[in-house]
Order: sequence, then C-alpha cells, then structure tokens
Amino acid sequence: GENVEQHPSTLSVQEGDSAVIKCTYSDSASNYFPWYKQELGKGPQLIIDIRSNVGEKKDQRIAVTLNKTAKHFSLHITETQPEDSAVYFCAASRDRGSTLGRLYFGRGTQLTVWP
Amino acid sequence: KAGVTQTPRYLIKTRGQQVTLSCSPISGHRSVSWYQQTPGQGLQFLFEYFSETQRNKGNFPGRFSGRQFSNSRSEMNVSTLELGDSALYLCASSLEQPITGELFFGEGSRLTVL
Repeated sequence: GENVEQHPSTLSVQEGDSAVIKCTYSDSASNYFPWYKQELGKGPQLIIDIRSNVGEKKDQRIAVTLNKTAKHFSLHITETQPEDSAVYFCAASRDRGSTLGRLYFGRGTQLTVWP
Repeated sequence: KAGVTQTPRYLIKTRGQQVTLSCSPISGHRSVSWYQQTPGQGLQFLFEYFSETQRNKGNFPGRFSGRQFSNSRSEMNVSTLELGDSALYLCASSLEQPITGELFFGEGSRLTVL
C-alpha cells in the first residue's frame, strides 16, 4: 500500500517567519494530496489540498506544491502567526482501485509559532 | 450547519470488554470513514461506509467492526478490548467519495483501556 513520510516531526518558528513541511509518497497512482491541521482536543481540519494535475495551489498565506516525478509535496505557510501553532498532517489518496476512499496520513508535524 | 458529531467523547473500559462508538455525519453526507489515532502509529484507516455498504477496510483485526444506517449515521464496535486499543477514534464524513471532496472530521472519541 501507500506509504507517506512527513518531515520534520517538530518545527519552531518566530512569528512572521515562514514554515515548510515536506512529505513524500510511494504510490505513483496517488492523485489527491490534502493537508490537515489539528488543534489540541479537536479533529483534523482540511486547510488545503492539491490534485495531481496541478503543480501548485495557494490560499492566502498557505501554499502547497507537488512534484509528481519525485513523488513529494510540501506545505508552505508564510507570515506565521501564533494561531498557526498546531499539528499538521499530509495525506495521499487515489480515486480508483482497491484503496478508493482511503487516506494515507503522514505522522504529523508539531508546528510552534513563538510571538 | 452542524458538524460531525461523535459520542461519547471520552470513555474508560477494561480489558476484555467491548465498546460501541457513534458518529452522526453532516446532514446530506453519505460517506463515513473511521480512523484510529495514536501517538505511536498516527492516523490509521479503519473502514469507510457509503450508503450502508462497507467500501473499504484497513488492516485491523476482526475485533473492529462497523456499520452504517439508512440515515448515514455510523457506529463502530471493538470487542475484547486490549490495552493497545487505547486511542482517539475519529469519524469523518463527506458528500460522496472522500477523495473527491473535503473530509470533515469530528472531534473524536477518546477510549482508554485499563
């Protein structure tokens, strides 16, 4: 099955700096890559996603890039704020085959933004 | 619009007991997925239901089971509980296939097995 690796496991930045989280995946058939943010005591919340027919997607301070050849994708957060502090998960999935409907998650990155 | 509701939020059981967790998806959502979250293994897929049918199942033993009702509400059951079953169990719903749209997670049911 799919294997998603996520780095780093922890990340500390100063408010206003940028944060980058990287993920790699193993299944070349994966074509959907969402990113989730999980705050303490809450369930994960989708913050941005990208499909394999797109190389980059941006939503305000958040952007995701995808390199299908290298099988890696990254989350970029600019102008970080203390409220960005949370655990971030990358995931991969595909829209056909035996694993339809299943997300494979990375192990998460604890982001801490210091004021 | 109400979000995904999971009950109970917290529960404590002892080894050998069984537990049933409930999930009410967002109104209109027909797909419900379940994930187990632990510090050691992260988020692991349990199963996914669509229109009362299990479409996919993760690599968990048969002690883990689930079902979906005609109103899309779902339950999961864990029998003969083991210490390692202590985890946060997350339910997520989506309109149809999870990967074609956003997956909305509930806040989870935290199970502690003593």
